Amino acid sequence: AQSVTQLDSQVPVFEEAPVELRCNYSSSVSVYLFWYVQYPNQGLQLLLKYLSGSTLVKGINGFEAEFNKSQTSFHLRKPSVHISDTAEYFCAVRGTGGFKTIFGAGTRLFVKA
Amino acid sequence: GAGVSQSPRYKVAKRGQDVALRCDPISGHVSLFWYQQALGQGPEFLTYFQNEAQLDKSGLPSDRFFAERPEGSVSTLKIQRTQQEDSAVYLCASSSGGGTSTEETQYFGPGTRLLVL
Repeated sequence: AQSVTQLDSQVPVFEEAPVELRCNYSSSVSVYLFWYVQYPNQGLQLLLKYLSGSTLVKGINGFEAEFNKSQTSFHLRKPSVHISDTAEYFCAVRGTGGFKTIFGAGTRLFVKA
Repeated sequence: GAGVSQSPRYKVAKRGQDVALRCDPISGHVSLFWYQQALGQGPEFLTYFQNEAQLDKSGLPSDRFFAERPEGSVSTLKIQRTQQEDSAVYLCASSSGGGTSTEETQYFGPGTRLLVL
């Protein structure tokens, strides 16, 4: 079984500042890792995913994440945020060979002008 | 279609009523997932279909919840005798592969917000 912990429920940040949203996971098997973004009244949209290979993954909208197996972390980063990045961000994990995706509780990113 | 669609977008039900939530996945997608998202929480897995076969229903909270996908495309999630704790957003997602593929990107619909009074 897998579990996901998003360490911050809310992250306020000023526009053009860098941001890091933290995610830790636990699993007894190898995993795939995902970050999704959810804008108000919309479905989840995939930002990026780690399947294998390079531990630094680049996604859409300038986001990137780094898989750290020893620390079982998959933190999301962006060097300079925009007002439009204000949304809920979900980290998720799925065991390789499985189909059940487990989501964290989410981190609300609030970008201030 | 262009994406996953769900209907209705909003549903208010009186406690004890039955409701049916519809999901239209992306055309040709093999896999279909239902999730329940409570307020302030991440989505929680309910059930999974591969074509018309329901391969996993371990996340359904009770026997009041029932899902079907009879022709391997549109899916319906039915909740009988709704309770207040059923109030949540119900999300549907589809993907092109067979569920465990590494290319398994799930595309989510906008969800149905259910409020049980």
